[in-house]
Order: sequence, then structure tokens, then C-alpha cells
Amino acid sequence: DTGVSQDPRHKITKRGQNVTFRCDPISEHNRLYWYRQTLGQGPEFLTYFQNEAQLEKSRLLSDRFSAERPKGSFSTLEIQRTEQGDSAMYLCASSLGVEETQYFGPGTRLLVL
Amino acid sequence: QKEVEQNSGPLSVPEGAIASLNCTYSDRVSQSFFWYRQYSGKSPELIMSIYSNGDKEDGRFTAQLNKASQYVSLLIRDSQPSDSATYLCAVRNTGNQFYFGTGTSLTVIP
Repeated sequence: DTGVSQDPRHKITKRGQNVTFRCDPISEHNRLYWYRQTLGQGPEFLTYFQNEAQLEKSRLLSDRFSAERPKGSFSTLEIQRTEQGDSAMYLCASSLGVEETQYFGPGTRLLVL
Repeated sequence: QKEVEQNSGPLSVPEGAIASLNCTYSDRVSQSFFWYRQYSGKSPELIMSIYSNGDKEDGRFTAQLNKASQYVSLLIRDSQPSDSATYLCAVRNTGNQFYFGTGTSLTVIP
């Protein structure tokens, strides 16, 4: 257990539904990252926050995806109008600074039917 | 061209042997380089980070970086069955985005 928690751990939804995932980073970590990982691939960077500011967002990220970190603590990732291609493991990681180790949470596995 | 490329393997080595994992990256001005281990069904965990050319050793692990050749490697000495996992190479670019390779699957045979 790295100290990063994610909820839910598993989510099954129907195509077209909206889903929201939560990440609670290690308390003193100011950087928070979201990644998506599909089978046989490495994690794909989605976005990251420094405190409450969203500093980078992958240009591959669809407009259906949005992330927030309102108080610089926990973060949420929402996917609107889910598609079957959104099925993946969604990983959250946090770090104390840009050069510091990223600690990954256990991930949320999403299945879109 | 992918940002980070790794040989997907699988790589099999006998117990006690040296496992050598390789990675190349495309962004010449990348800043930081990392090796993660990922067991099946688990999330990645950091093994080594390296920021400057040369070797960096930590226990049985040695990371090697050659920025001129845009090449990073990981050596695992005295490989153990518990080292069997997928090893992910990751690179941080100047925009503070992290790019991961597809990973190399390593099996250490007892």
C-alpha cells in the first residue's frame, strides 16, 4: 500500500453513461497525475495537477474527459458519454515535487459494455 | 515514432543470472528517466530514477543512461524468481509529462 487510494476499484457501466473516479493522494504531495493503462501497454499520461492547478493535459485526451482537484487534495476524473474504447485501468499517482518519486494508487478498472 | 520504446520480450533468464533491459526515447531534451516494476494486476512501483549520464547502482539494480544515444538500460544482477514482472521505462520531458514504454516482461526461471 503506497498511501494513494482510488475509488471505486472496479466500475462496470453501459456505453453512453457518465462515470467519475476519485483519487486521494499522499497527504503532503502537491503533484497528482492521472494515467490510463490498457492490457499490454504502459501507462498513458492523461493530466497532472500541482496543488489545485491543472498544469498539463494530454493532447490525446478527448473533451469527454475532465479532471479536477478543487482544494489541492483529492482529485476526480470524469468521463462523459463513455465508449467501449474507454475500458481500461485508470491510475492515479502523486509526488512531492517534479523530481520526486511518483507513488501509484491501486487503480480503477473500468469496463464499458 | 513512440516517445519511449522497449523490447516487449518476453525475456527469460535463469535464477542468479543478469537480466538486461533496454529502452530508447525520442525527445532529445528529456530530463529524467525512471524504471518501474509492475506485477500482474498491480500498479507500477519505482525501482530506479536516473538524471545524468552514467551508471547508478542500488543493490542488485543498475541503471545506465546515455543521453547522446537516447538510451536507458536496467541491469538486474543475481536475478530472483520474485523479479519476474513487467519492467516499464518512463521518461519525463521538459513539459513535465511522463511517457511510459510498453514494458518488457521478465521471467526468472528457478
